[in-house]
Amino acid sequence: EPEVTQTPSHQVTQMGQEVILRCVPISNHLYFYWYRQILGQKVEFLVSFYNNEISEKSEIFDDQFSVERPDGSNFTLKIRSTKLEDSAMYFCASRADSGANVLTFGAGSRLTVL
Amino acid sequence: KQEVTQIPAALSVPEGENLVLNCSFTDSAIYNLQWFRQDPGKGLTSLLLIQSSQREQTSGRLNASLDKSSGRSTLYIAASQPGDSATYLCAGPDQGAQKLVFGQGTRLTINP
Repeated sequence: EPEVTQTPSHQVTQMGQEVILRCVPISNHLYFYWYRQILGQKVEFLVSFYNNEISEKSEIFDDQFSVERPDGSNFTLKIRSTKLEDSAMYFCASRADSGANVLTFGAGSRLTVL
Repeated sequence: KQEVTQIPAALSVPEGENLVLNCSFTDSAIYNLQWFRQDPGKGLTSLLLIQSSQREQTSGRLNASLDKSSGRSTLYIAASQPGDSATYLCAGPDQGAQKLVFGQGTRLTINP
């Protein structure tokens, strides 16, 4: 069964450093998303991406964050100047079309900021 | 703005019992709702997607219902097994937007 692949599974970084989380969505999917889950809290939406541009973003997704689809397969989330409160599990997800289909999530990347 | 609530936060039942997990949402214009399973420290596994045109959706021992008028969805698990122990999350779209709004989840424990 097709799956969304995320790397790394766990990253530890020092406060103030930049991190890049990588995702390979399902190959024929057109809509891509990043969500995050702080330990013990709800899964929350960060950003959606379609046709090589951001289609929607939450108030969390400020200038510290950026997304990119550098080639035909990868979808990345960059977090600049990480803060302690950025520690969370970051999930990538993809969908075949706009909303009627299942949203498929990756296994997540756990980010720990020290 | 869509808000999704799941009650109870935790549920513990003996193996073999049938059980129902509840999910409520505020935007009745919801066009679908998705149920997920999350094991500790792991990702989200999609269980069922139920469209607004459907009343129920079934997969194996799982059955999800959607009642837009009351703003509720239920996930029914038949003949529960210890392997069903996990956190179950429901999520619906936010006012026609693509993004999903998640409930806080119900942590289910099935006791052998």
